[in-house]
Amino acid sequence: EILMTQSPATLSVSPGERATLSCRASQSVSSNLAWYQQKPGQAPRLLIFGASTRATGIPARFSGSGSGTEFTLTISSLQSEDFAVYYCQQHGDWPLSFGQGTKLEIK
Amino acid sequence: EVQLVESGGGLVQPGRSLRLSCAGSQFTFANYAMHWVRQAPGKGLEWVSGISWDSGSIGYADSVKGRFTISRDNAKNSLYLQMNSLRAEDVALYFCAKSPGGAVAAYPFDYWGQGTLVTVSS
Repeated sequence: EILMTQSPATLSVSPGERATLSCRASQSVSSNLAWYQQKPGQAPRLLIFGASTRATGIPARFSGSGSGTEFTLTISSLQSEDFAVYYCQQHGDWPLSFGQGTKLEIK
Repeated sequence: EVQLVESGGGLVQPGRSLRLSCAGSQFTFANYAMHWVRQAPGKGLEWVSGISWDSGSIGYADSVKGRFTISRDNAKNSLYLQMNSLRAEDVALYFCAKSPGGAVAAYPFDYWGQGTLVTVSS
């Protein structure tokens, strides 16, 4: 089973600043890496798939990078609606697995 | 707009069974792999099970293998999760999720339902 580890667990950033979230896989997942955003009381929303491709309707301030075992989600200029929990997921190997999440909070 | 609506959750005693359903609409259900993902209260996401478009490929998390069974009925645009021998650790909000492709791996989850809550308690 591929273990996904996200860091940090909590990230405090001011609106308008850049946020950088990390995700590490215990073995290579190639580019089979997705990022999701989840707000309280809501279902997760797909942001990025294939490590770097934005899903439909996702603003350009969200970008993903990386391959193999190291991945990054960058939000270039934080808006109020971006404060949420973010999960990475590897979608290339059984069993599919998620990271434990990074909570992005307002500084 | 794609819609996924889960149902069937509720309160059940330990060791008993429950069957969850997910109704899909506004897309060609038969073409896509489907999954169940759960989230324990205050915790992260855990993939539970997935099924390919034609039911030919099925997978389970180790935590539910041998107790849960995923199935689908493409004629009814429906996904199911039969949960047997339920335990306290199965308490969670259960989401159904759609993949953008027919294979059960290699794709993320592009649409999610709002979830149905399963509580296991005596």
